[in-house]
Amino acid sequence: QKEVEQDPGPLSVPEGAIVSLNCTYSNSAFQYFMWYRQYSRKGPELLMYTYSSGNKEDGRFTAQVDKSSKYISLFIRDSQPSDSATYLCAMSDGGNTPLVFGKGTRLSVIA
Amino acid sequence: DSGVTQTPKHLITATGQRVTLRCSPRSGDLSVYWYQQSLDQGLQFLIHYYNGEERAKGNILERFSAQQFPDLHSELNLSSLELGDSALYFCASSVEAIQETQYFGPGTRLLVL
Repeated sequence: QKEVEQDPGPLSVPEGAIVSLNCTYSNSAFQYFMWYRQYSRKGPELLMYTYSSGNKEDGRFTAQVDKSSKYISLFIRDSQPSDSATYLCAMSDGGNTPLVFGKGTRLSVIA
Repeated sequence: DSGVTQTPKHLITATGQRVTLRCSPRSGDLSVYWYQQSLDQGLQFLIHYYNGEERAKGNILERFSAQQFPDLHSELNLSSLELGDSALYFCASSVEAIQETQYFGPGTRLLVL
């Protein structure tokens, strides 16, 4: 079993839809959970950063962590064509061990 | 723009050759991380430097090496290149060694023919 699993998609939604992106993980030591957005031919860009369980909201984006289920989600409300990108989850145990990334979900928002 | 710069943007070379990729972190960031991204493997951590010292090593091949200089820029050296080394190479930087908030550069696309 891989440490972090992420459905690669592609996921195609109409403009204005609510998008749900998810990752599951196996390492219960993970405490920090990040979402990165990567446009084609660009570097990943940090979108959201959460610690432990709970929700965090930033504009149209909400990150949710359920440590009991080892499951994290990123919700995008009122999705826009400019949200079309690959979304990568990343996790850390807070120590000196490197971040572990999911392989990314490719999202297309159709106008 | 993350503030992290990488050169060159593209590199085409032949098997057996050696190349050097360069990264300048954001102003004030002491940590530099190197990653390799390929379609089948995703984003793979290679190595982390903090203020000139190696902090952590990931799946970095012995043919690859890196260093961080006193001005904090970093170089990743790839030698005896193989076709399978073709990938995107990203560098990221962070304040201190707080790796949970890394800022990525635009990457170097390496093609080995």
